[in-house]
Amino acid sequence: EVVLLESGGGLVQPGGSLRLSCAASGFTFSNNAMSWVRQAPGKGLEWVSIISGSGGSTDYADSVKGRFTISRDNPKSTLHLQMNSLRGEDTAVYYCARDRGGLIAARSASDYWGQGTLVTVSS
Amino acid sequence: DIQMTQSPSSLSASVGDRVTITCRASQSINVNLNWYQHKQGSGPNLLIYTSSNLQSGVPSRFSGSGSGTDFTLTINTLQPEDFATYYCQQTYIYPRTFGQGTKVENK
Repeated sequence: EVVLLESGGGLVQPGGSLRLSCAASGFTFSNNAMSWVRQAPGKGLEWVSIISGSGGSTDYADSVKGRFTISRDNPKSTLHLQMNSLRGEDTAVYYCARDRGGLIAARSASDYWGQGTLVTVSS
Repeated sequence: DIQMTQSPSSLSASVGDRVTITCRASQSINVNLNWYQHKQGSGPNLLIYTSSNLQSGVPSRFSGSGSGTDFTLTINTLQPEDFATYYCQQTYIYPRTFGQGTKVENK
């Protein structure tokens, strides 16, 4: 059974940093690209970032480019999102999701999702 | 960026109804369109990928169609567990973008 479990959310001041993690199990982690998607309160889903199965390719939404860094530790089956220079508009539930394919160019859907972790940016 | 526009934004329906949600892309995305069901408190659930392919484990009352810029999600014989918000997503080009969502409510 595929399970994705996010952690690391919490309350942080504007300008602060936070590191999210997503522990994966039930599949060969390095075979699949992984994404982060967020949902701000009362809003829809927003794609944030993606990393290929090997970790060699990444992409970001313009809204987080230069502030967020996605990474993965394949031996530990863990996905990370380092979030710096946080702003109020980054307040959201952050979901990690598994892509059906291994390459970010595969145009794949996300077939498994975690339950999400809440990040609140406020003073 | 490719803009995805869903309609309607919300709808009221009864158990047993047939529900249709449409999604329009601001430019052609071939068939790189996915549909998700989202209930608060849990992660989204993939229903349809690449426009018309039913994800494993998803009931056959869900179906998708379309190509280019216009896409449709149909729920035949709505069930109580289908009341939720539905999102389309294009994976044709980065950044991946979602529609604004369609909330299906119980009439």
